[in-house]
Amino acid sequence: GESVGLHLPTLSVQEGDNSIINCAYSNSASDYFIWYKQESGKGPQFIIDIRSNMDKRQGQRVTVLLNKTVKHLSLQIAATQPGDSAVYFCAERDNNDMRFGAGTRLTVKP
Amino acid sequence: DAGITQSPRYKITETGRQVTLMCHQTWSHSYMFWYRQDLGHGLRLIYYSAAADITDKGEVPDGYVVSRSKTENFPLTLESATRSQTSVYFCASSDPRGILAGELFFGEGSRLTVL
Repeated sequence: GESVGLHLPTLSVQEGDNSIINCAYSNSASDYFIWYKQESGKGPQFIIDIRSNMDKRQGQRVTVLLNKTVKHLSLQIAATQPGDSAVYFCAERDNNDMRFGAGTRLTVKP
Repeated sequence: DAGITQSPRYKITETGRQVTLMCHQTWSHSYMFWYRQDLGHGLRLIYYSAAADITDKGEVPDGYVVSRSKTENFPLTLESATRSQTSVYFCASSDPRGILAGELFFGEGSRLTVL
């Protein structure tokens, strides 16, 4: 079946740099795309969502970009901080069906 | 405190035993979910519930049973545990507006080991 996937399983960035986490999706019928953050030993935490009729959405220090032409989703984190170290999941929603990707581990180096 | 709580947080059991994982939320969210998280598979939906007494299968329901007699509780039962059910289980909840945007509130997880 269709699935959500990630380009890179791990990402290491220097503190203060910008981070870009990528995600590929294949379900054209998905109407929302979502990013979650999961810190070690905790449950996933909602970060930001973007509707399928948008191509960009900004939050606090985060920006999500959606490219429907190539079915690509990205999460940009500005001025990455040590507290941003976590696993980031993209997810797509199609009616009541929400599918998560395998996750990218972001490590922030001091 | 308001929120979503899971119990037990850690459980070790043997193959063939019945195990129940509890989930309780205090937000009166209508939607509740059970996911399992395995390395390399991300989060996979086991069962979900849109309201009390309404449950539906997710992606990987085999070997699991759920019930939702009260809005705030959504227990997950493994009737006869197998080693392949060793995993971290997450309960989540949401309201209808949150569901629309894919915003789920997750518990801290229950780590289950089946020997």
